[in-house]
Amino acid sequence: ETGVTQTPRHLVMGMTNKKSLKCEQHLGHNAMYWYKQSAKKPLELMFVYNFKEQTENNSVPSRFSPECPNSSHLFLHLHTLQPEDSALYLCASSPRQGGGYTFGSGTRLTVV
Amino acid sequence: RKEVEQDPGPFNVPEGATVAFNCTYSNSASQSFFWYRQDCRKEPKLLMSVYSSGNEDGRFTAQLNRASQYISLLIRDSKLSDSATYLCVVNERGRGSTLGRLYFGRGTQLTVWP
Repeated sequence: ETGVTQTPRHLVMGMTNKKSLKCEQHLGHNAMYWYKQSAKKPLELMFVYNFKEQTENNSVPSRFSPECPNSSHLFLHLHTLQPEDSALYLCASSPRQGGGYTFGSGTRLTVV
Repeated sequence: RKEVEQDPGPFNVPEGATVAFNCTYSNSASQSFFWYRQDCRKEPKLLMSVYSSGNEDGRFTAQLNRASQYISLLIRDSKLSDSATYLCVVNERGRGSTLGRLYFGRGTQLTVWP
């Protein structure tokens, strides 16, 4: 257990479904991140929240919608995804933006 | 332009060998540097930070050359448990933002065989 908990661990969804990924940390960190990791590619930053305010959106398609209700929780709402969106989605937190990260175990998403 | 570049490998070495990984970064204003380790189908975990003077943690030695924008990781006396992907990570200020962000290399895969 890393201190950052992600659920679900695995998710299979159809292209017309709506689902949400959840991330929770109780490390007292102020920054939270969503990353996408596809096979053979570097981690891609998707969104950054600092003190629950979004500070970065790395040109992510609108079919991915983040939500950060407080500094401990981060969601990624998914709708009308494409098969190429299948990947490992990792949540991370850090004491401050750009500081040392703690990653969650990730959600392995398959879009069919 | 790739912010962080690494040789993806794979590196296959026998137990006890010494192996070195290299990484280059593109932004000379980068502020801090790390090596992360990622096991198969697991999340990345911080292995060590990299300091300008070089630093060592047991069998692992990290070095930074700011002039050449180059980072290295040396693993001595490799163990089977060292098999993993090693990610080079650079912290730089985000474009259009005053706050930092981490850039990850694609990782170098290491397999240590008995």
